[in-house]
Amino acid sequence: GQNIDQPTEMTATEGAIVQINCTYQTSGFNGLFWYQQHAGEAPTFLSYNVLDGLEEKGRFSSFLSRSKGYSYLLLKELQMKDSASYLCAIMDSNYQLIWGAGTKLIIKP
Amino acid sequence: GAVVSQHPSRVICKSGTSVKIECRSLDFQATTMFWYRQFPKQSLMLMATSNEGSKATYEQGVEKDKFLINHASLTLSTLTVTSAHPEDSSFYICSVPQGELHEQYFGPGTRLTVT
Repeated sequence: GQNIDQPTEMTATEGAIVQINCTYQTSGFNGLFWYQQHAGEAPTFLSYNVLDGLEEKGRFSSFLSRSKGYSYLLLKELQMKDSASYLCAIMDSNYQLIWGAGTKLIIKP
Repeated sequence: GAVVSQHPSRVICKSGTSVKIECRSLDFQATTMFWYRQFPKQSLMLMATSNEGSKATYEQGVEKDKFLINHASLTLSTLTVTSAHPEDSSFYICSVPQGELHEQYFGPGTRLTVT
């Protein structure tokens, strides 16, 4: 079967660092995506990993270990506007995205 | 990335009526578009893949006669919710895959409320 697991909710403090984990079991793998979704809005693309390792993009970094079926999204210097849901998605062998349920991140002052 | 629009952004309709939602790719010719549905506090659920010039591919459990998809041009796909019921109330989002990564760019979504 196909399964993607993320924590349901996380809380962090403004200015701090937070790591959101994603574990997966899927049939076929053509990459892992992270999307940000603010309440009531559509998701926006954050990052893509297909090879093992860390991809850094400004305050956001994403890591992938294919052998462990594991990824994380690292957010640094948290800002209040980072309060959102973060969705982990796997692209399967048919180039369709399989979505995790998302992690709601709450930033406190 | 691709710029995608949806219309309307919000719609309220009565039970039994039909509602059409448009998804437009403004700067990219899309042979494929995806239609998703998202209930509150739940993840995105792929409903169907819209294919330009051919029939849409529906996911298991999605009624093709209830959710009519038409992809008449390379920039426009429409989703019609026929004989809507309150349980169809949801957030409907389309997306366009683009580029070597096939990453998906989403429209702003349509909030449907059926009373």
